[in-house]
Amino acid sequence: AQTVTQSQPEMSVQEAETVTLSCTYDTSESDYYLFWYKQPPSRQMILVIRQEAYKQQNATENRFSVNFQKAAKSFSLKISDSQLGDAAMYFCAYRSYQGAQKLVFGQGTRLTINP
Amino acid sequence: DAEITQSPRHKITETGRQVTLACHQTWNHNNMFWYRQDLGHGLRLIHYSYGVQDTNKGEVSDGYSVSRSNTEDLPLTLESAASSQTSVYFCASSDSGSSYEQYFGPGTRLTVT
Repeated sequence: AQTVTQSQPEMSVQEAETVTLSCTYDTSESDYYLFWYKQPPSRQMILVIRQEAYKQQNATENRFSVNFQKAAKSFSLKISDSQLGDAAMYFCAYRSYQGAQKLVFGQGTRLTINP
Repeated sequence: DAEITQSPRHKITETGRQVTLACHQTWNHNNMFWYRQDLGHGLRLIHYSYGVQDTNKGEVSDGYSVSRSNTEDLPLTLESAASSQTSVYFCASSDSGSSYEQYFGPGTRLTVT
């Protein structure tokens, strides 16, 4: 079974600075998807960024980018120019490429933005 | 606009009572999922369905059941509520095709006293 680990329960960053959230995963599969979800105080789950394991290029979405290290099974999220609206819980998630479309989530990292 | 809704948004119930949480989606997605969110555990899969009449157990299915009689709805039933089932419950849906994004409902906070 696949597992996802986020070892940082809490992180904080100054507004406008850059922060990196860590995620590692364990799988025997070679093809899969990885995701970062944001959960603000409203509880709504919002997809931030996705990465296909067969793509070597790291995904980027505006101020959000990932560092995908397939051999190390590492998938970190970098947030540049942090804004107050980035404050939220962030979850890393894994999904198999074929078969079951269920997501396996990490424990989450609570990100605080200091003004 | 298509959406996924959950009801109720908040519920308090007593130990031993049967509780049903509703999930309704208008995306016309074949796949639907129920997760529970607990501090320190992230979201964990309870049950999922790939279509009408199809249901499958997830990681933490004990004490829960689902049934899928149509495409739009996947109600989650707690047969006999326990304090350990106090949690926030999320429903999600996704397309069976090339799209791989799951769309989440707003969540239901359930308290079992």
